Amino acid sequence: AIWMTQSPSLLSASTGDRVTISCRMSQGISSYLAWYQQKPGKAPELLIYAASTLQSGVPSRFSGSGSGTDFTLTISCLQSEDFATYYCQQYYSFPLVTFGQGTRLEIK
Amino acid sequence: QVQLQESGPGLVKPSQTLSLTCTVSGGSISSGSYYWSWIRQPAGKGLEWIGRIYTSGSTNYNPSLKSRVTISVDTSKNQFSLKLSSVTAADTAVYYCARGGVVRTAGYFDYWGQGTLVTVSS
Repeated sequence: AIWMTQSPSLLSASTGDRVTISCRMSQGISSYLAWYQQKPGKAPELLIYAASTLQSGVPSRFSGSGSGTDFTLTISCLQSEDFATYYCQQYYSFPLVTFGQGTRLEIK
Repeated sequence: QVQLQESGPGLVKPSQTLSLTCTVSGGSISSGSYYWSWIRQPAGKGLEWIGRIYTSGSTNYNPSLKSRVTISVDTSKNQFSLKLSSVTAADTAVYYCARGGVVRTAGYFDYWGQGTLVTVSS
């Protein structure tokens, strides 16, 4: 099984800040990683796939990087609508896919 | 624009079978380019992939749930369904249906239903 460690679990930041969220794998997964945003009471929304490819319609302030075991989601200039919970998902072990534990991004 | 909508009972008794249906609109479930998955999320916790089905009826399940899960498809109604047997309180969660790719390079989920809360309680 592939273990995923997402950090931090809670991140406090202010509008306009640049923030990064990390997702670390127990083994290399090439670039088979996606990032999702989830707001309270809503379904997750796909932000990034293939580690760094922005899903259509997602603002360019979101970016993803990494390959192998270490991945990062960066939000370059936080907007009010970005305060949410973020999940990474590996699909290297497709069709068995797994998600990180989540990072809650809150207003400082 | 593809849309998915879950439906089914919100309350299930322990030891009984949870049954949910996902109706797909704005696109055909038989298009052949996608697998159709169920994913769940207990309150305040993370996401767990349950399983998926292809238009042909081919399925894959999470090994942790495989003995209790059945996913089926009804292409005439553009729907797919989930059955989870012998439920316990640990199965209480929001259940989502979602669309994913056929090949590993597309193993992420680009469309999701809004989710439906299923509570297991007597």
